Amino acid sequence: QSALTQPPSASGSPGQSVTISCTGTSGDLGSYNFVSWYQQLPGKGPKLMIYEVTKRPSGVPDRFSGSKSGNTASLTVSGLQAEDEADYYCSSYAGNYNWVFGGGTKLTVL
Amino acid sequence: QVQLQESGPGLVEPSQTLSLTCSVSGGSISSGNYYWSWIRQPAEKGLEWIGRIHSSGITHYSPSLESRVSISADTSKNQFSLRLSSVTAADTAVYYCARYQSFMDTFDYWGQGTLVTVSS
Repeated sequence: QSALTQPPSASGSPGQSVTISCTGTSGDLGSYNFVSWYQQLPGKGPKLMIYEVTKRPSGVPDRFSGSKSGNTASLTVSGLQAEDEADYYCSSYAGNYNWVFGGGTKLTVL
Repeated sequence: QVQLQESGPGLVEPSQTLSLTCSVSGGSISSGNYYWSWIRQPAEKGLEWIGRIHSSGITHYSPSLESRVSISADTSKNQFSLRLSSVTAADTAVYYCARYQSFMDTFDYWGQGTLVTVSS
């Protein structure tokens, strides 16, 4: 069982918006603004999409956005495109030089 | 562009030690701004952070694996390595090496991953 809880699946039609949640505890996600989101395509290593809750690395489309409220962080993908179909993982600093991840959400573009 | 590549045996017998190496290109592991990490992913499961090393030799390990893990670095080869002792079937996973960027507080570059199966 992963430390952070994500829904196993999410879906949307092209052009729609989808939001994926990531729930932790007051000891990890709720205490630190060091939440990241990663996109993983089949057979590939994860790719950083969001860091420090809301920031996008260079090259990531602004269709991807992040937010946090309390012990839950969210990734929103706006204007869904077929290429967004992938697994998405969240991570958070958990204190004492420890990091935790979510179980992953499979995003399907219908 | 930084690239990381994992290498090592794909099959390890139970109770033995798993050893993997991560070769880094496009950047130096001696840079003080980064930590070099290992993360694993059992089949159909989420990611699990294993530990990290700084070029200064500072290491941090996951509390759940700390008693069996060791991470080292060879700056002359621009590589860092993972050793996990007393392995069981539960350690079967895809193992990734990744760079932790201190200024961004995130894992910004990852390798492709390598599957390690623990079986006799």
